[in-house]
Amino acid sequence: GENVEQHPSTLSVQEGDSAVIKCTYSDSASNYFPWYKQELGKRPQLIIDIRSNVGEKKDQRIAVTLNKTAKHFSLHITETQPEDSAVYFCAASGEINFVFGPGTRLSVLP
Amino acid sequence: DAGITQSPRHKVTETGTPVTLRCHQTENHRYMYWYRQDPGHGLRLIHYSYGVKDTDKGEVSDGYSVSRSKTEDFLLTLESATSSQTSVYFCAISAGDTTYEQYFGPGTRLTVT
Repeated sequence: GENVEQHPSTLSVQEGDSAVIKCTYSDSASNYFPWYKQELGKRPQLIIDIRSNVGEKKDQRIAVTLNKTAKHFSLHITETQPEDSAVYFCAASGEINFVFGPGTRLSVLP
Repeated sequence: DAGITQSPRHKVTETGTPVTLRCHQTENHRYMYWYRQDPGHGLRLIHYSYGVKDTDKGEVSDGYSVSRSKTEDFLLTLESATSSQTSVYFCAISAGDTTYEQYFGPGTRLTVT
């Protein structure tokens, strides 16, 4: 079955710097890759996603890139702000079911 | 937030007792999911449903059963709760077909003593 690895497990950046989180997956049939943000005590919230027919997608300060050949995809956050501090999860999906990575705790230091 | 509610939001129960968690949606979405979230493991799929009375197992289904008698409700039952089932449980919904996005409920924190 699918296996998703995520790195780093923790990441600290200065406010205004960029943050990059990388995920790798094992199943070449996976074709949908969402990213979720989870604040402490809250539900995971979908922040951006990408499908396999697209190499990059941007939404204001966040972007996701996908390399299907290497089976990895990354989340990029620019101009980080304190409210970006949270746990971020990547996932890979074939059609119905997601397999999630273990999460990255991002801390944005003022 | 999508129209998803979970009940109860918090529960403490004793080992060996049965527990049922409820997920309710108002979106009329076809797919519903139950996940558990534990530190270091992310979100792991327990069971999912692709329609009324249609369910299937996920990655960590042992010790859990589900039922879906109506489109809007998806129940997760722990027949005999164990301490290893102490976790936060999230329900999620998806319209399915060509729409892959999943949206999560607020979660239920379950403690088995």
